[in-house]
Amino acid sequence: DAKTTQPNSMESNEEEPVHLPCNHSTISGTDYIHWYRQLPSQGPEYVIHGLTSNVNNRMASLAIAEDRKSSTLILHRATLRDAAVYYCILRDVGTDKLIFGTGTRLQVFP
Amino acid sequence: GAVVSQHPSWVICKSGTSVKIECRSLDFQATTMFWYRQFPKQSLMLMATSNEGSKATYEQGVEKDKFLINHASLTLSTLTVTSAHPEDSSFYICSASFRGSVTNEKLFFGSGTQLSVL
Repeated sequence: DAKTTQPNSMESNEEEPVHLPCNHSTISGTDYIHWYRQLPSQGPEYVIHGLTSNVNNRMASLAIAEDRKSSTLILHRATLRDAAVYYCILRDVGTDKLIFGTGTRLQVFP
Repeated sequence: GAVVSQHPSWVICKSGTSVKIECRSLDFQATTMFWYRQFPKQSLMLMATSNEGSKATYEQGVEKDKFLINHASLTLSTLTVTSAHPEDSSFYICSASFRGSVTNEKLFFGSGTQLSVL
């Protein structure tokens, strides 16, 4: 399974944009880039996913580098409820399973 | 959106007893369900993949006789921790994928079960 590298933690102030980076230099052509987040004492929650093009949804935006070796999850206006651990995961077309890395713990300050 | 229901939310048991955790997909048929465990301040670790009507596939290092998985229907998978010991205390989480989904589809997760073995 291709691996991802994320910073252990990041901080943001409320209502400011947050850019969460993820490196995946060994990504294969069939790997989709998924982002999930986990609030304390809860199961993970889907955020967004993409293959090559940038993606937007109501929760966030996903910017994917042209060479696909890195991506950035963008929260346009952080709220206190966005404080969570964010996981960047590569999902191989050959399998349904998700292998979680260490993730980035995002703290949001009022 | 699709919902995965996991019960119980928490359980405390004595060492040596067995504990069953249920994972249900409420509004979709889940061909495949996954079971994870998570220790405090650590990431999720995949334990096994459960396919309806067949034996579960366990990840390396996970004891299949210790963690019994049954996926008898398209909406229910169970994980039984047999002869639980304090080191089995952990947060257990299930997830499910839509039947027939391609691999770029998202997974839905249960809310987790906190197991504490005394």
